[in-house]
Amino acid sequence: EVQLVESGGGLVKPGESLRLSCTASGLSLMSASMSWVRQAPGEGLEWLGRIASRNNGGATEYAASVKGRFIISRDDSTDVLYLRINNLKIEDTAVYFCTTRQWRPTGRFEPWGQGSLVVVSS
Amino acid sequence: DIQMTQSPSSLAASVGDRVTITCRASQDISRYLNWYQQKPGKAPELLIYDTSNLQTGVPSRFSGAGSGTDFTLAISSLQPEDFATYHCQQSHTLYSFGQGTKLEIK
Repeated sequence: EVQLVESGGGLVKPGESLRLSCTASGLSLMSASMSWVRQAPGEGLEWLGRIASRNNGGATEYAASVKGRFIISRDDSTDVLYLRINNLKIEDTAVYFCTTRQWRPTGRFEPWGQGSLVVVSS
Repeated sequence: DIQMTQSPSSLAASVGDRVTITCRASQDISRYLNWYQQKPGKAPELLIYDTSNLQTGVPSRFSGAGSGTDFTLAISSLQPEDFATYHCQQSHTLYSFGQGTKLEIK
């Protein structure tokens, strides 16, 4: 069974940086396409970006709204996915989820982590 | 970017009702459309993938249909555990989600 567990969230000040982690079990991250999705309080889901599997080149892609501030990376040796957020803004306050389409031919996300809450406030 | 628009944003219904939620894409996405169910404080869970395929374990009262730009999620006879928020997601060109539909008890 694949499980994803996020960590690293908390209270941060505007302008600071933060790195979230997503630890995978039952899944080799190098063989999976991994995504980050966030949900602001009372809002819908927003896809942030993904890192392709190593077999597919390992490229990263980002939503236009976060390109340049958000960086996705992974450590294949420890099966940990990262999301670094630079220059945090109030509007980055959200629950951040990691998820995966694994090896599937179409992009359905399953499973999801439980989420990590980031609150940006001065 | 492909924009996804769900309607309605919220819906009140009773146990036993049949409900339909609509999702519209800003351009043709073929059948690359997935639906998720999310309960308060929990992560979303995959419900239907590629327009009409039920994820393992999902009851048959759920169904999905559509192609191109217009898609629907139907629940044939609402059960108490179905009251939740539903999200559509396209996977034709990268990914994007609709804004969600909150299904509430009338």
